[in-house]
Amino acid sequence: AQSVTQPDIHITVSEGASLELRCNYSYGATPYLFWYVQSPGQGLQLLLKYFSGDTLVQGIKGFEAEFKRSQSSFNLRKPSVHWSDAAEYFCAVGGTSYDKVIFGPGTSLSVIP
Amino acid sequence: EAGVAQSPRYKIIEKRQSVAFWCNPISGHATLYWYQQILGQGPKLLIQFQNNGVVDDSQLPKDRFSAERLKGVDSTLKIQPAKLEDSAVYLCASSFGDRDPEAFFGQGTRLTVV
Repeated sequence: AQSVTQPDIHITVSEGASLELRCNYSYGATPYLFWYVQSPGQGLQLLLKYFSGDTLVQGIKGFEAEFKRSQSSFNLRKPSVHWSDAAEYFCAVGGTSYDKVIFGPGTSLSVIP
Repeated sequence: EAGVAQSPRYKIIEKRQSVAFWCNPISGHATLYWYQQILGQGPKLLIQFQNNGVVDDSQLPKDRFSAERLKGVDSTLKIQPAKLEDSAVYLCASSFGDRDPEAFFGQGTRLTVV
């Protein structure tokens, strides 16, 4: 069965510091992996996605993520965080053959000025 | 390109009342999802449609929730009767499905049951 874990419920970083949000997944075949961001009162916006090919994927707003099959991980990174990055971040996994897209519990990011 | 449209944006009802939500997916998207997002949690899949057929509804509380997608386009999600624990944001999403499973989300409907 598909599942997604995000070990960190809440992370606080200083503005300008680097960021890494962890995501681990369980899926029986080659997964499609996503990171979404949700600001308060807003809908879900896609940051980046991995389908195949290069395991380091670039997204919007300066984010990147690395797919590591051996570790079943898809961690999100940003070299320098901005105050506007404060939001809830969700990792999700899906697949081909119309498999459902399942979300993790989310990591709440706070940014200290 | 028009995004996923949902209505209403907000709804307040009393427990035991009924409520319905509407979703219009992106044109050409065969797959449609309804998610429930309780405050502080990740979206939980309620039901997935492929065109007008149900692919997965294992998490849908079928004693009170129902959903349909007539003609494989618009969809409605209904709750009858509502309980206090149904208070949540109900998100609709759509995708091309097998060709590209990236889900595009609507703004959601915030339901408060009092």
